[in-house]
Amino acid sequence: NAGVTQTPKFQVLKTGQSMTLQCAQDMNHEYMSWYRQDPGMGLRLIHYSVGAGITDQGEVPNGYNVSRSTTEDFPLRLLSAAPSQTSVYFCASTNTDPTGGTEAFFGQGTRLTVV
Amino acid sequence: GNSVTQMEGPVTLSEEAFLTINCTYTATGYPSLFWYVQYPGEGLQLLLKATKADDKGSNKGFEATYRKETTSFHLEKGSVQVSDSAVYFCALMRSGGSNYKLTFGKGTLLTVNP
Repeated sequence: NAGVTQTPKFQVLKTGQSMTLQCAQDMNHEYMSWYRQDPGMGLRLIHYSVGAGITDQGEVPNGYNVSRSTTEDFPLRLLSAAPSQTSVYFCASTNTDPTGGTEAFFGQGTRLTVV
Repeated sequence: GNSVTQMEGPVTLSEEAFLTINCTYTATGYPSLFWYVQYPGEGLQLLLKATKADDKGSNKGFEATYRKETTSFHLEKGSVQVSDSAVYFCALMRSGGSNYKLTFGKGTLLTVNP
């Protein structure tokens, strides 16, 4: 019963380095998304995808890139890490039930520190 | 645009006390409303939800009623336990279209002391 799996759980990067945060879901959901959580700011949407091959920007997309080659995987790439990207990142997979059962399932998060 | 305002806290209660965390929203149309809970070091878990006006969501002793007239979705529990200590997020999801974006409040840290 894996649900949404994120790796790694913790990461420290130096300014300017790049890395990919992995996200995989086994629920066959079309809609997936990435959020960042910062103290006192709740969660903010970075990017989202409505299905394989289709992605779009959220509220805070700058400095991040995504792709969706399969239904299961939705990686988030940091192109050139900056201290402002220090945050906790959550991947979500959403069951888009038109009868009212819509629910987002979240991964455990990746705590990223950029020094 | 859509927004969620919730009581920021932190909130500190004694075990068996009554809990209310206020949440109000601004949205077009008829959004679905959610409460998520984040226990220390973990991801977000759905606590309860309501999809239309006057619906009451409930789970683990927590309740919230979708009040369209006051645009509110306050979280309540009659008797909190130490294990309820967590951060609680109110959120809305606008209905329609293909963007199932969640708009979150800033979160409320609840600490329950024995």
